[in-house]
Amino acid sequence: EVQLVESGGGSVQPGRSLRLSCAASGFTFEKYVMHWVRQAPGKGLEWVAGISATGHHLGYADSVKGRFTISRDNAKSSLYLQMDSLRPDDTAFYYCARPRDYGWGPFQHWGQGALVTVSS
Amino acid sequence: EIVLTQSPGTLSLSPGERATLSCRASQSVASTYLAWYQQKPGQAPRLLIFDISTRATGIPDRFSGSGSATDFTLTISRLEPEDFAVYYCQQYGTTPLTFGGGTKVEIK
Repeated sequence: EVQLVESGGGSVQPGRSLRLSCAASGFTFEKYVMHWVRQAPGKGLEWVAGISATGHHLGYADSVKGRFTISRDNAKSSLYLQMDSLRPDDTAFYYCARPRDYGWGPFQHWGQGALVTVSS
Repeated sequence: EIVLTQSPGTLSLSPGERATLSCRASQSVASTYLAWYQQKPGQAPRLLIFDISTRATGIPDRFSGSGSATDFTLTISRLEPEDFAVYYCQQYGTTPLTFGGGTKVEIK
């Protein structure tokens, strides 16, 4: 069974940093593109970033480009999101997601989400 | 960036009725890379439809997708009580990947 478990969420002041992790199991992690998707409370879904299976190809939403960095450790079956210069509008649930096959989408598997709150 | 506009924002229907949800793209979606998701409160989204019209594993056949290029539709033929939720479309053919703003299907 595919499992994605996010961790590292919490409350942080504007301008500070936070690092999210996603522990993957139940599949061959190194073969899949992986993504981060966020959802502000009561709002819609927003794709944040994606990373190819090898880690060589990255993609970011304009809203986080230059502030967030997606990475992965295939030996540890883990996905990461380094979030710097956090702003109040980054407050959201952050989901780790895996596509249904070896392409960039669609997203078949999702974690339970990690809440990030940015507030002074 | 491909902007996806979903309409209506809210759909008020009764169980047994047909639901028709629209997703319009600001430019043509690459290939057939359009998906639909269902999300219930407190849960992660669930993939319903991918490649415009292919149902994901375990999705009942009352859900169907159609469309092409810039206009797409999700149809729920007969609403069941568990279908009342928020639905999102997504294009995954062009970076940045984008989602529509969602349509809430509520009980009338």
